[in-house]
Amino acid sequence: QSVLTQPPSVSAAPGQKVTISCSGSSSNIGNNYVSWYQQLPGTAPKLLIYDNDRRPSGIPDRFSGSKSGTSATLGITGLQTGDEADYYCGTWDSSLTAGVFGGGTKLTVL
Amino acid sequence: QITLKESGPTLVKPTQTLTLTCTFSGFSLSTSGLGVGWIRQPPGKALEWLALIYWDDDKSYSPSLKSRLTITKDTSKNQVVLTMTNMDPVDTATYYCAHSPFGDPARDWFDPWGQGTLVTVSS
Repeated sequence: QSVLTQPPSVSAAPGQKVTISCSGSSSNIGNNYVSWYQQLPGTAPKLLIYDNDRRPSGIPDRFSGSKSGTSATLGITGLQTGDEADYYCGTWDSSLTAGVFGGGTKLTVL
Repeated sequence: QITLKESGPTLVKPTQTLTLTCTFSGFSLSTSGLGVGWIRQPPGKALEWLALIYWDDDKSYSPSLKSRLTITKDTSKNQVVLTMTNMDPVDTATYYCAHSPFGDPARDWFDPWGQGTLVTVSS
């Protein structure tokens, strides 16, 4: 059971928009920064978003992040078949004094 | 360019101790603010945060595995070593190391990641 809660799967058609939620508590998302990772099949995770809403260089602006209270959201617009992957949120938990990840969300582009 | 690569045994027996080495380039763990973390992923399952070490030797561990984990760094060799004692088949997973650039765990993130190494625990 992950500390952060994500929907197991989401799907949308090519060109459409999708959002992936990540729910936590005041000891993690509520008081710390959130990052998001994309894991394409058979590969290592890759950073998509850090500091809640900042994109590393090279990440298209189709990917966005936001945080409100104890939840965070990853948004992806202009969906492409190449976006099919597992997406994970991560943050620090001040009570556990350890990092935590969500259970992951599998994105299917229909 | 920052790169990291994990190395270690691919097969360990139950009760044995696992030792994994992360060898990196493109940064130094003697530089203020930098860190290296370990994350694992059982086959078909989610990522699990394991441990993190910073340039100042500050260390953090997953509470559920703290008694079994030790993370150390060798700055001269650009390596971080993770040891996990009393291995069990449920510890079968791909183990990743990753670079942490910010220096504050409350704000830090992992970028980039190593390619990962699959460790199977079986007799």
